[in-house]
Amino acid sequence: GAGVSQSPSNKVTEKGKDVELRCDPISGHTALYWYRQSLGQGLEFLIYFQGNSAPDKSGLPSDRFSAERTGGSVSTLTIQRTQQEDSAVYLCASSLQWGVSYNEQFFGPGTRLTVL
Amino acid sequence: AQKITQTQPGMFVQEKEAVTLDCTYDTSDPSYGLFWYKQPSSGEMIFLIYQGSYDQQNATEGRYSLNFQKARKSANLVISASQLGDSAMYFCAMRTQAGTALIFGKGTTLSVSS
Repeated sequence: GAGVSQSPSNKVTEKGKDVELRCDPISGHTALYWYRQSLGQGLEFLIYFQGNSAPDKSGLPSDRFSAERTGGSVSTLTIQRTQQEDSAVYLCASSLQWGVSYNEQFFGPGTRLTVL
Repeated sequence: AQKITQTQPGMFVQEKEAVTLDCTYDTSDPSYGLFWYKQPSSGEMIFLIYQGSYDQQNATEGRYSLNFQKARKSANLVISASQLGDSAMYFCAMRTQAGTALIFGKGTTLSVSS
């Protein structure tokens, strides 16, 4: 079946503009995660959605970052008033459920964001 | 605090040799899972192997095995018979029972030469 998809694959924007990044998780996966990977670094957790529960926003670096998940499926990560330090690859992952340790997360190909 | 430490920024190995990538972790949660992911230059994250904190045996998946030493809080990845296609960044990650998202280490770049 189809994996996690993300769009756009690349996004170049000017400082101060807003951007929206989209994630389509694997069908049937109830958990959805957003991570950020800066150049040469590991992945940094941003936000997590599980079913209809309130999202875990504890990883969002500032109030310029927000995300929503409509209908328990597609998610959009929005960055307002982008800054150069927001430049990174934004990765989305989905999994079947949470609450158990073994819970393989399937990752999308990422969106490379460059803020000029 | 929960943390993953990978102390080797880069590793070099020749084809057909075995290589060990180090990973240590810190958590006070008795239930946790440890994961290794491979990230080639193309950028996708590829799941390799999983070890649960209550698993009695070390996990193995083909040429990958996980050397799990619970008392030392280490979960090293062993790749046997390295291949050129193994050249990539490797990330160790942890997820606890109480947690939600994966906590990642900074990664190790593996270079395999012929």
